[in-house]
Amino acid sequence: EVRLVESGGGLVQPGGSLRLSCAASGFTFSNYLMGWVRQAPGKGLEWVANLNQDGSQKYYVDSVKGRFTISRDNAKNSLYLQMNSLRAEDTAVFYCARDRGYCSGGTCYPSYFDYWGQGTLVTVSS
Amino acid sequence: DIQMTQSPSSLSASVGDRVTITCRASQSISNYLNWYQQKPGKAPKLLIYAASSLQSGVPSRFSGSGSGTDFTLTISSLQPEDFATYYCQQSYSAPPHTFGQGTKLEIK
Repeated sequence: EVRLVESGGGLVQPGGSLRLSCAASGFTFSNYLMGWVRQAPGKGLEWVANLNQDGSQKYYVDSVKGRFTISRDNAKNSLYLQMNSLRAEDTAVFYCARDRGYCSGGTCYPSYFDYWGQGTLVTVSS
Repeated sequence: DIQMTQSPSSLSASVGDRVTITCRASQSISNYLNWYQQKPGKAPKLLIYAASSLQSGVPSRFSGSGSGTDFTLTISSLQPEDFATYYCQQSYSAPPHTFGQGTKLEIK
């Protein structure tokens, strides 16, 4: 059974940092692209970031570029999101998800998310 | 970035009804369109990928169609467990792979 479990959320002051983790099990983690999606309270889904199987190709939504860093440790079957310079508008539930994209000829093609974690809440407030 | 617009934003329907939700892309995305269902307090669940391919385990009353800029999600006969919020997402070209704003399906 595919399982994704996020952790690391919590309350942080504006300008602060937080590192989210996602523990994966039930599939060969190193074979898949992975991503993060967030959802502000009462709002819709926002695609945030993803990366390829070896972490060499990363993509970000403009609003987090330069502040967030996505990474992975295939030996630990884990995905991470380092979030710096946090703002009130970053307050959201963050989901990690498995991406069914692929890589070919050195280029990766992210696609849809077929499995999602339960989410972890990040609150940015003073 | 490609913008995705869903209509309607909310919809009231009854058990047994046939329901259609529309998603429009700001540019052609071929068939790179996915649909998700989300219930309150839960993670989204993949229903349809590549515009019309049904994800394993999803009931056949769900179907998707369209290509280019206009897409639809149809539920042929609403069941009580289908009342939820539905999101489309484009996965065309390089990210960000934007979502529509959502359609909330409520019980009439």
